[in-house]
Amino acid sequence: QKEVEQNSGPLSVPEGAIASLNCTYSDRGSQSFFWYRQYSGKSPELIMSIYSNGDKEDGRFTAQLNKASQYVSLLIRDSQPSDSATYLCAVSSGGYNKLIFGAGTRLAVHP
Amino acid sequence: NAGVTQTPKFQVLKTGQSMTLQCAQDMNHNSMYWYRQDPGMGLRLIYYSASEGTTDKGEVPNGYNVSRLNKREFSLRLESAAPSQTSVYFCASHSTANTEAFFGQGTRLTVV
Repeated sequence: QKEVEQNSGPLSVPEGAIASLNCTYSDRGSQSFFWYRQYSGKSPELIMSIYSNGDKEDGRFTAQLNKASQYVSLLIRDSQPSDSATYLCAVSSGGYNKLIFGAGTRLAVHP
Repeated sequence: NAGVTQTPKFQVLKTGQSMTLQCAQDMNHNSMYWYRQDPGMGLRLIYYSASEGTTDKGEVPNGYNVSRLNKREFSLRLESAAPSQTSVYFCASHSTANTEAFFGQGTRLTVV
């Protein structure tokens, strides 16, 4: 079992819709959870971090964490074509807070 | 504010050649990482360093060596490059207290 799993997609949503991206992780001791966005040919950039159960909202983005189910999600409201990118889920765990990434979900927002 | 700087940005190697990818950060971070990214595979951890003087293997360490020269610099060496090492390599760093990582711009390596 991979440490961090994501559906590779592509996830295609119409402009203005809600995009829902999901991630599961295997290490129950994980403490920190992140969502990175990566445009083609570019470096990953951090868009959300979440550390406790529940929801965290930042603009059009909402991260959700459920540690009991070992599940993290990212909702993007009012999706725009500029949101089209690969979204990487990352989990930090272990004594040294090693950062492990999922394979990423490709999101395509069409006008 | 340079952040994380990787060199070179592009490199073409012949099979069997060696090279070192350089990474430096100016944010006083303790933790540094090397990842490789292949199509559809996300970021796979090659090696990481939790602090100066320590390094540990990640998911795909075979064929690579690393050196944490000081707190700022973390280099990745390919001793005998193979076509399977054709990839985009990213260096990243974060502090001990805050694991929000910053990435370099990447090195696109082709081994022919």
